[in-house]
Amino acid sequence: DAKTTQPPSMDCAEGRAANLPCNHSTISGNEYVYWYRQIHSQGPQYIIHGLKNNETNEMASLIITEDRKSSTLILPHATLRDTAVYYCIVRVARNTGNQFYFGTGTSLTVIP
Amino acid sequence: DAMVIQNPRYQVTQFGKPVTLSCSQTLNHNVMYWYQQKSSQAPKLLFHYYDKDFNNEADTPDNFQSRRPNTSFCFLDIRSPGLGDAAMYLCATSRTSDGEQFFGPGTRLTVL
Repeated sequence: DAKTTQPPSMDCAEGRAANLPCNHSTISGNEYVYWYRQIHSQGPQYIIHGLKNNETNEMASLIITEDRKSSTLILPHATLRDTAVYYCIVRVARNTGNQFYFGTGTSLTVIP
Repeated sequence: DAMVIQNPRYQVTQFGKPVTLSCSQTLNHNVMYWYQQKSSQAPKLLFHYYDKDFNNEADTPDNFQSRRPNTSFCFLDIRSPGLGDAAMYLCATSRTSDGEQFFGPGTRLTVL
C-alpha cells in the first residue's frame, strides 16, 4: 500500500534546477517524508528528510506544502552524476518501530 | 570508513537450493533491515531486527528467514528459492528505528 505517488520519469538540463514532485495525500501528522536516490546497481543513498518545515542541506532542498499532502525535492544545479531513480518515502510509525515504505520512484535523466 | 557491507555482490543458485546472503556493518547500529528489489521496482521491506527483536512483514513469504547472531552481522536465508525470488537484496541499518537508513550495495541473486 504505497503512500506516495511520483511521476515515473523526468528530464533536466545539466546546470538547471531539477524539481521532483511527490504526492502523499494520506500522510499522518507524525509521519516524516524522506528522499533517497538510487544510482543503477547501487544501494539507495539518503538525500534529505522533513516533517513540516522546508529543509535544505548540501545536496538538496525539500519543500513541503502547508497541508503536508505533497512535497518537492529540488536539486539546485543538476549534474550528470545526479542521473538516478529518486524515491519519495513516507516513514510510517508501527508498533514494531518506524518503517520506510518506498514509492515507485522517479527516474531522473540529466541531459548534457 | 564506517559502512554496510554485503557479500557476495552477485549470487547464483539453483531452483530449490538453499542460499544465504550476508550483511555486516561497522556503524554499530541497533536496527538492521532486509529489502527485496525486483527489476524496475522499488525496494520492498521483508523484515528487520531491532537489536535481537525480529519483526517480519505480514506479506513476507515463509521461504525467507533471517538471523542476527550479533550486532554486526545479519543473514538472509532463502530456504527453497524459486524463479520469482530472483532480485536485488538490500541490507540497511539505522542507529534507531526513526533514524536515517544506510544501505549496502546489495546482492543480486539469480535463480537458475
